[in-house]
Amino acid sequence: GAVVSQHPSWVICKSGTSVKIECRSLDFQATTMFWYRQFPKQSLMLMATSNEGSKATYEQGVEKDKFLINHASLTLSTLTVTSAHPEDSSFYICSARGAGSSTGELFFGEGSRLTVL
Amino acid sequence: EDQVTQSPEALRLQEGESSSLNCSYTVSGLRGLFWYRQDPGKGPEFLFTLYSAGEEKEKERLKATLTKKESFLHITAPKPEDSATYLCAVFRVTTDSWGKLQFGAGTQVVVTP
Repeated sequence: GAVVSQHPSWVICKSGTSVKIECRSLDFQATTMFWYRQFPKQSLMLMATSNEGSKATYEQGVEKDKFLINHASLTLSTLTVTSAHPEDSSFYICSARGAGSSTGELFFGEGSRLTVL
Repeated sequence: EDQVTQSPEALRLQEGESSSLNCSYTVSGLRGLFWYRQDPGKGPEFLFTLYSAGEEKEKERLKATLTKKESFLHITAPKPEDSATYLCAVFRVTTDSWGKLQFGAGTQVVVTP
């Protein structure tokens, strides 16, 4: 099956710093990528949807200036958490949909756990 | 408002004790219902896609069914390795035409030897 890779898997940072998380589709071209956040014992909450070469579409309540998403190529999307605070600590998961796919069969990355001290 | 509700929240089973998980949904513009398995600290792993009422899919000890209002994931004679959180998600078409996958809260399944 298609592989989506996230990096880093774990990151610990100080409050006020920015952290970048990468999401790569390794063996297919991802026209659309989705970023989710998951708090302990809760489900995945969609943060934003990005298409290659376009601005991301953010879900209601998600600050676009705080969570910067760049989808510069068909295989890479990045999420930058700017001026991170302890409440931003969470599990961030990306998923990707291949070109030509019109359904929700998404391939998920392994997730990136962010801890802000 | 679109909702995806999973029950029970948690399920503890003895090895070999079959059971079912429920996912009920109220979503307009449904274009598919998905089941995923998620292990702690990992991303979701795709299990099944169901598109229309009456459809069934099977994979090893798992069987997923779909009606117009809900889906069931049946676990037959589970083994400890089936322990995971099972997530249900519905894909719905949105005005921006990309569509969205909306997840339920999941059912945490623990299978003891």
